[in-house]
Amino acid sequence: DQQVKQNSPSLSVQEGRISILNCDYTNSMFDYFLWYKKYPAEGPTFLISISSIKDKNEDGRFTVFLNKSAKHLSLHIVPSQPGDSAVYFCAASASNFGNEKLTFGTGTRLTIIP
Amino acid sequence: DVKVTQSSRYLVKRTGEKVFLECVQDMDHENMFWYRQDPGLGLRLIYFSYDVKMKEKGDIPEGYSVSREKKERFSLILESASTNQTSMYLCASRGQTGGTGELFFGEGSRLTVL
Repeated sequence: DQQVKQNSPSLSVQEGRISILNCDYTNSMFDYFLWYKKYPAEGPTFLISISSIKDKNEDGRFTVFLNKSAKHLSLHIVPSQPGDSAVYFCAASASNFGNEKLTFGTGTRLTIIP
Repeated sequence: DVKVTQSSRYLVKRTGEKVFLECVQDMDHENMFWYRQDPGLGLRLIYFSYDVKMKEKGDIPEGYSVSREKKERFSLILESASTNQTSMYLCASRGQTGGTGELFFGEGSRLTVL
């Protein structure tokens, strides 16, 4: 049973435009959410996180929005750059405490078109 | 600079062989994790450890075991490799409390079982 879902396996966006990546979850115990970026043959790197007490968190070009009632989060990248081409994973956890496991989605491959 | 190091980037093994994947972190983190990444399935948790000699099963522990004899080292063992264990294996570590709650990943070990 996939508790964290990324329904779009791929997304193409023109350079300079906004990229919006979506993620849905089913487990109401999830309280903490993260986005990771992964290039081929490398490990995932952390991008941004959000706690359930917030509905928005911003870091430079990256903004994560959380809608708890809909169990939905999204990552906005603006403006999109060629270096943003990668696979993006959302992840969820019951807390940000260290021994809490993260459950990952299936990933969305983002391609930025120059 | 924080570092999670996986001993082998690429391995090719035969069915039935015993396989060891080693992971070392230099951040003094209590928590360490093993994931596998497969196309269309995202990252799935195999095992994790929140302390030396402690281990917890993740979502897909069958066919795997782990060892954590020292805080900095977490090993994944395939007792008898099978072709369905061909995958990218990712080790990660995480501190105990607060912060962004992010996992720090190694670069991955791509295992092919023939």
